[in-house]
Amino acid sequence: NAGVTQTPKFRVLKTGQSMTLLCAQDMNHEYMYWYRQDPGMGLRLIHYSVGEGTTAKGEVPDGYNVSRLKKQNFLLGLESAAPSQTSVYFCASKAGFGPGYFGEGSWLTVV
Amino acid sequence: GENVEQHPSTLSVQEGDSAVIKCTYSDSASNYFPWYKQELGKRPQLIIDIRSNVGEKKDQRIAVTLNKTAKHFSLHITETQPEDSAVYFCAASRPGGTSYGKLTFGQGTILTVHP
Repeated sequence: NAGVTQTPKFRVLKTGQSMTLLCAQDMNHEYMYWYRQDPGMGLRLIHYSVGEGTTAKGEVPDGYNVSRLKKQNFLLGLESAAPSQTSVYFCASKAGFGPGYFGEGSWLTVV
Repeated sequence: GENVEQHPSTLSVQEGDSAVIKCTYSDSASNYFPWYKQELGKRPQLIIDIRSNVGEKKDQRIAVTLNKTAKHFSLHITETQPEDSAVYFCAASRPGGTSYGKLTFGQGTILTVHP
């Protein structure tokens, strides 16, 4: 049972480049989330999904897009990366009312 | 929306002492409060959680207390050990509906336990 898996784990991008982070969960959870973690600011919600084919904006959605074409996968896209998007990105999934289970994180640096 | 404030931002204790981290929340409808531990370079991992129909919950050296009237909850770690050193996050969530189980996190507390 892998739980929540994120790929890639590390990536360096040049300003203006695009990329996609993949989150996959094997727990049949309905809800999935993308957070970013910056020093001193905790975990901030970027986008979330309440089921296959649905997405919604979180606290800091600007500059990101998401898709959930399959229940087990939640993709986070950066169309034109900016240095301000240098961060650690965590995906999480949960089965409604209860704790979230996090992936191992993706370290993104935009130069 | 929900706002969660966490204090202190850093906490340093001697091995064997107790540590207390406090969080306040703004949304009176929140009814689920988990605590996560995050070691350096690792993912946040759930260590204990509490629901609003319970005032206190214990799990070995860890306990969480909840005061719904005052809208605050606290993490208590007794007999601290060096391996307890990590960043601790509190979070709050409303039940279903438009919140969709979203967790709002506090800013984190860096706990250092000195041998």
